[in-house]
Amino acid sequence: GAVVSQHPSWVICKSGTSVKIECRSLDFQATTMFWYRQFPKQSLMLMATSNEGSKATYEQGVEKDKFLINHASLTLSTLTVTSAHPEDSSFYICSAYTEKAVLNTEAFFGQGTRLTVV
Amino acid sequence: AQKVTQAQTEISVVEKEDVTLDCVYETRDTTYYLFWYKQPPSGELVFLIRRNSFDEQNEISGRYSWNFQKSTSSFNFTITASQVVDSAVYFCALLEYGNKLVFGAGTILRVKS
Repeated sequence: GAVVSQHPSWVICKSGTSVKIECRSLDFQATTMFWYRQFPKQSLMLMATSNEGSKATYEQGVEKDKFLINHASLTLSTLTVTSAHPEDSSFYICSAYTEKAVLNTEAFFGQGTRLTVV
Repeated sequence: AQKVTQAQTEISVVEKEDVTLDCVYETRDTTYYLFWYKQPPSGELVFLIRRNSFDEQNEISGRYSWNFQKSTSSFNFTITASQVVDSAVYFCALLEYGNKLVFGAGTILRVKS
């Protein structure tokens, strides 16, 4: 089945720096990708919808200037956490799928990135 | 708006017991997909099952079984003869046609030996 690869799987950064997380669809083209955030012991909350060739759509309460999303190609979306602070520490997961992928694949979530800001 | 409710926050069972995780969903669409995922401590989401809205057949896969009932908008998950390795957080999720995937709050399952 199709696979979504997310990198890095974990990252530790200093407060004030920026961190980029990549999400790639390995064997299918994803016009739409999604970024989720998960706080400890909580559910996955959708942050934004990333559309290839256009601006991302952010969910209410998510700072677009803080979480920059770029969907440069049909197989790559990036999430950049700018000027990271300790409260940005979280588990970030991307998802990529097309209608066909939904029907035919089991794995359209990335492995997740655990971000720790110190 | 679509919504997924997993009323059970945490369940503890003793190994070999059967356990059912509840999932109730809300949607206005007639075409949608329901999913169950397992999230072990490593954090990665492990796909368990996908069911589309037109297929109400119950499914069994080894010790896992799922009961999909559109009449009650429920998609419950049962683990038979639970094992310690089943300990994880389990998420039910709903995908409407052309829309985004919405997750329930998750149920923490603790299986004790």
